Amino acid sequence: GAGVSQSPSNKVTEKGKDVELRCDPISGHTALYWYRQSLGQGLEFLIYFQGNSAPDKSGLPSDRFSAERTGGSVSTLTIQRTQQEDSAVYLCASSFGGMNTEAFFGQGTRLTVV
Amino acid sequence: DAKTTQPNSMESNEEEPVHLPCNHSTISGTDYIHWYRQLPSQGPEYVIHGLTSNVNNRMASLAIAEDRKSSTLILHRATLRDAAVYYCILRFSNEKLTFGTGTRLTIIP
Repeated sequence: GAGVSQSPSNKVTEKGKDVELRCDPISGHTALYWYRQSLGQGLEFLIYFQGNSAPDKSGLPSDRFSAERTGGSVSTLTIQRTQQEDSAVYLCASSFGGMNTEAFFGQGTRLTVV
Repeated sequence: DAKTTQPNSMESNEEEPVHLPCNHSTISGTDYIHWYRQLPSQGPEYVIHGLTSNVNNRMASLAIAEDRKSSTLILHRATLRDAAVYYCILRFSNEKLTFGTGTRLTIIP
């Protein structure tokens, strides 16, 4: 595909269930970012993968959140024991590495915890 | 992280030029200045970036002050589609991309 693809586009889950959100970055992009955006709020950084370096997990809000990136490509964000405050749009972006490159964002996954 | 300061909101008339300011007084010599925007109900999209010289692309122009402590994103002829939140971001090395609160631009028909 030409752009960053996220799935599912919408997810409704019951409180306490685990969810997995998927991100397919643009082929060849070494950097991958996860953000979340609650309704009417700004973008909250979650985690950043850059090549083979250890990921920057400084934005993960709790140990219920984890992410992995397999083979330097696809990434999965997992939220365990979901809470209502986890409801948000989860956005993924990818880019070539470096400060002189642009990031491309997916359309996001809207997560609703009921 | 070097911080940026932007006005919370701005308004502009349709078909007029728009100048969106950003202050970054603690910028270091190797920080790139990036601009992104987020249209309603969409993910952010890249607009433009620069280091020292002014930059132009099909979407906008970026004017960078000589001391690099401020910059201005210029939309030459605003349309209703340009209504969005505009983010000014400093990027250093391989650090994560950190978004502030941005400027909410309203275009008046």
